[in-house]
Amino acid sequence: DGGITQSPKYLFRKEGQNVTLSCEQNLNHDAMYWYRQDPGQGLRLIYYSQIVNDFQKGDIAEGYSVSREKKESFPLTVTSAQKNPTAFYLCASSNREVRQPQHFGDGTRLSIL
Amino acid sequence: DQQVKQNSPSLSVQEGRISILNCDYTNSMFDYFLWYKKYPAEGPTFLISISSIKDKNEDGRFTVFLNKSAKHLSLHIVPSQPGDSAVYFCAARGTGGFKTIFGAGTRLFVKA
Repeated sequence: DGGITQSPKYLFRKEGQNVTLSCEQNLNHDAMYWYRQDPGQGLRLIYYSQIVNDFQKGDIAEGYSVSREKKESFPLTVTSAQKNPTAFYLCASSNREVRQPQHFGDGTRLSIL
Repeated sequence: DQQVKQNSPSLSVQEGRISILNCDYTNSMFDYFLWYKKYPAEGPTFLISISSIKDKNEDGRFTVFLNKSAKHLSLHIVPSQPGDSAVYFCAARGTGGFKTIFGAGTRLFVKA
């Protein structure tokens, strides 16, 4: 059963701590994305990757880092430099063809202790 | 600067009636538009899309209309069902691009 798995579902971060959100897909998609959703706002792009070992900054990359060492995996690290990390984080993937929709995971809700 | 705007935060419709969700965009380079549906605590799921070379695309109860001159698109759901109650996101993508810009979403309530 193909899909995208995000873990954990809920995550708490202490001040000054880095945390990593996991995203794994078994859809054989080349492209993967990280979005952030805040109340009353749309999904804002943090980072995206079109191919293994390559990724680009989205609109709100500051305070975040990613890696793409495997096609299936695209972890997101929320660093201590991200001053307002409380949000709902969504991972997505798609085929490289432009006119293909993205498939989303069920998200990780990050909160600050 | 919001390039994709959904000006109605919420919409309430009676079961069996038509639901019309609206979306406006500002970037004339967008050439592919999508609608996603999202339930609480879940990721969005793809609903329907339309290319800029078309003005209408239909899939069952869902129809998307595109008016390029007005930079406006709408999603029609007929007939509306209680299970359609969710948040609907409009999204747009530019020529040859992978970046997808999302609107803020419209919460649809379908009353039985």
